[in-house]
Amino acid sequence: QSALTQPASVSGSPGQSITISCTGTSSDVGTYNLVSWYQQHPGEAPRLIIYEVTKRPSGVSYRFSGSKSGNTASLTISGLRAEDEADYFCCSYAGRSSYVVFGGGTKLTVL
Amino acid sequence: QVQLVQSGAEVKKPGASVKVSCEASGYTFTKYYIHWVRQAPGQGLQWMGMINPSGGGTTYTQKFQGRVTMTRDTSTSTVYMDLSSLDSEDTAVYFCARDSGGSGNYYFDFWGPGTFVTVSS
Repeated sequence: QSALTQPASVSGSPGQSITISCTGTSSDVGTYNLVSWYQQHPGEAPRLIIYEVTKRPSGVSYRFSGSKSGNTASLTISGLRAEDEADYFCCSYAGRSSYVVFGGGTKLTVL
Repeated sequence: QVQLVQSGAEVKKPGASVKVSCEASGYTFTKYYIHWVRQAPGQGLQWMGMINPSGGGTTYTQKFQGRVTMTRDTSTSTVYMDLSSLDSEDTAVYFCARDSGGSGNYYFDFWGPGTFVTVSS
């Protein structure tokens, strides 16, 4: 059982927007602005797409955006493309007791 | 360019140990912590711990305390993850990943390709 809760799957049609939630607690997401998101295609390593809740690394499309409210972080992908089909994982710093916690992952299907 | 190159796949018997390496290049090795994350087949990501390549200090998650040892060799810019007393639940892909901020931003900007460890009798 993962420390952060994500929906197992989401889907959307090309051009649409989807949002993936990531629910933690006041010990992790709710306290620290060190939430990150990763995209993982089958057989590949994860790729950082959002860090510090809202920031995008160089080279990551503007279509990816992050936000946080209370104990829940969210990843929004706008203008869905076929290549966005992948697993998405959220991650948060959780203080010096647990350090790093991940969500269980969300499989995005582009219809 | 930053690269993390990991050692090849391993097959181990229950009770054995495995040592996975992660060779870094393209940046100053001692300036960025390295984390280890594993992923069981079809499952999510699990953080195992981290090492400071500068001083060698380590932090392990409680789940792996006493079973995992992370070390580094600054002469070859390589970190190692040693996991002992293996059982079938340790079958997973083991990733090394660089801490984006150096010493504790706890997000990971570069990842190794992963090392698949199979534990089977």
